[in-house]
Amino acid sequence: SQTIHQWPATLVQPVGSPLSLECTVEGTSNPNLYWYRQAAGRGLQLLFYSVGIGQISSEVPQNLSASRPQDRQFILSSKKLLLSDSGFYLCAFGTGKAVGTDTQYFGPGTRLTVL
Amino acid sequence: AQSVTQLDSQVPVFEEAPVELRCNYSSSVSVYLFWYVQYPNQGLQLLLKYLSGSTLVKGINGFEAEFNKSQTSFHLRKPSVHISDTAEYFCAVTFKAAGNKLTFGGGTRVLVKP
Repeated sequence: SQTIHQWPATLVQPVGSPLSLECTVEGTSNPNLYWYRQAAGRGLQLLFYSVGIGQISSEVPQNLSASRPQDRQFILSSKKLLLSDSGFYLCAFGTGKAVGTDTQYFGPGTRLTVL
Repeated sequence: AQSVTQLDSQVPVFEEAPVELRCNYSSSVSVYLFWYVQYPNQGLQLLLKYLSGSTLVKGINGFEAEFNKSQTSFHLRKPSVHISDTAEYFCAVTFKAAGNKLTFGGGTRVLVKP
């Protein structure tokens, strides 16, 4: 079966420190991968998506970057965290290849608090 | 711009009563429609989806939704809620012109009271 993992589950970091969040998928090949952020009391904002290794599309200009070093691994990074980077980060995968056919399945999330 | 609107930010409901969560989207072009549920401090779980076919879609946990193309709506219903249905519910739409990207509504928080 297909599963998605995220770690860490929670993270408290000081302003200006680096960040690395990891997401891995099992049970499928060449998935579409997505990073979302959910700020307190707000909906989900798509940050990045990837349709293949090394292929990253950014939706919102910001202090974050993403990488896909392996087929089923998606990493969210920052060189220097800002207070506004606090939030709940969700990774998702989808297997639809034709336009508009993706059903996205979400990981358990990482709660990031920047102090 | 394409958008998804969930008209109610919070819905209080008594246990065993019915509930309807409203969702409208901006475009009449081809769409795929989804409802997700999020329990506190957890990821999103897919409740149901509409891709094609029958406009009445049945999902997990007794939920169902009806796609109404003329009204560009995809309302979620459950005839009798349980305490365990307390959660936040998100409507999401893939607008085919936007590739595989989901556009989410702002969410509806359901509080089931005993």
